[in-house]
Amino acid sequence: KQEVTQIPAALSVPEGENLVLNCSFTDSAIYNLQWFRQDPGKGLTSLLLIQSSQREQTSGRLNASLDKSSGRSTLYIAASQPGDSATYLCAVSGDTNAGKSTFGDGTTLTVKP
Amino acid sequence: EAQVTQNPRYLITVTGKKLTVTCSQNMNHEYMSWYRQDPGLGLRQIYYSMNVEVTDKGDVPEGYKVSRKEKRNFPLILESPSPNQTSLYFCASSLSWAHTEAFFGQGTRLTVV
Repeated sequence: KQEVTQIPAALSVPEGENLVLNCSFTDSAIYNLQWFRQDPGKGLTSLLLIQSSQREQTSGRLNASLDKSSGRSTLYIAASQPGDSATYLCAVSGDTNAGKSTFGDGTTLTVKP
Repeated sequence: EAQVTQNPRYLITVTGKKLTVTCSQNMNHEYMSWYRQDPGLGLRQIYYSMNVEVTDKGDVPEGYKVSRKEKRNFPLILESPSPNQTSLYFCASSLSWAHTEAFFGQGTRLTVV
């Protein structure tokens, strides 16, 4: 059974810092990996989607990498801002079980002004 | 506006009283899915649907039913709710399960007493 782990569970940084969030998964047979943002009391918003054949995706100040063989992904946030404060979740979609997805517990990020 | 709409947003009900949480998307997406989110357990997939009339179990399907009679709607049915189904529920959709980003509804907070 696929398991997804996110470390750290919480992170607090001063504004302007670059930071890295980590996601690891136990079964490398994935079809894609997606990073989401969740604000308190809200639904999830997709940030970046990486197909299993890709190594990275970029959107603005965000860069996500994928190392499928080692079961790892990182989300890099450049020049963090207070508005980046949220919980970040990663999710993997199975290769052998089409349609199934497994989420990590998330990393709660606080960016202090 | 492209969106996934869940109703109701909040619901308090009693044990054993059948209820339905509706989910509707206006993006002509093929794939839809239901999740529950619980503290310490993260987001777990309940059921998903690859297309009309095609549904399959996620990781925690017990006590839930779904149907996909038309593309835009994917209701979640609790035939006999129990207190352990108290949770925050999310519906999501995407154009296809593997290649495109997922869109989430705002969530339904269900309390079963």
